[in-house]
Amino acid sequence: GQQLNQSPQSMFIQEGEDVSMNCTSSSIFNTWLWYKQDPGEGPVLLIALYKAGELTSNGRLTAQFGITRKDSFLNISASIPSDVGIYFCAGLGTSYDKVIFGPGTSLSVIP
Amino acid sequence: ETGVTQSPTHLIKTRGQQVTLRCSSQSGHNTVSWYQQALGQGPQFIFQYYREEENGRGNFPPRFSGLQFPNYSSELNVNALELDDSALYLCASSPGLGTNEKLFFGSGTQLSVL
Repeated sequence: GQQLNQSPQSMFIQEGEDVSMNCTSSSIFNTWLWYKQDPGEGPVLLIALYKAGELTSNGRLTAQFGITRKDSFLNISASIPSDVGIYFCAGLGTSYDKVIFGPGTSLSVIP
Repeated sequence: ETGVTQSPTHLIKTRGQQVTLRCSSQSGHNTVSWYQQALGQGPQFIFQYYREEENGRGNFPPRFSGLQFPNYSSELNVNALELDDSALYLCASSPGLGTNEKLFFGSGTQLSVL
């Protein structure tokens, strides 16, 4: 079945540093989503991408929909302590399809 | 506008028991999806409900069942609990059929099976 891989699995960075993480798929998706999950909470949607090559920003977050439609990237600039959490990529074929999640990237920010 | 609410927040059961988890959808949302999130993993799709009918199911056995009510709230029932059923169960609502890119998640129910 469809499977997503995320890298790195975890990362520890200094406050103020930029962060990059990526997500790859064994199959094509038409929509890519990036979520953040804080401890004890459900995932919260950060960015949605709908077209191959699309680059979308949400504050300090920027995500890109890969041209092959099999990958996506998330960058966080000037990290702050509240960026700590688990970041999930997710993909779906159409809006009627189930959302498939990656295993997540755990981000820790050292003050 | 109220968000997605789930109850209970935590639950401890023993193997073989049955459990019911509850979810109230966000105001204005009529579609509910359930996900299972094992420790250290991403959420896995269980099933979705729309107009009180199951609309799509993931790779879960029949002992996982659900209901949706006329007010769009939903229940997840799991029979004959197994140790591997220990996980965070997430409910997500969306505005309608075909809007799965707009899922809003609740905080989840943490189920521990002993």
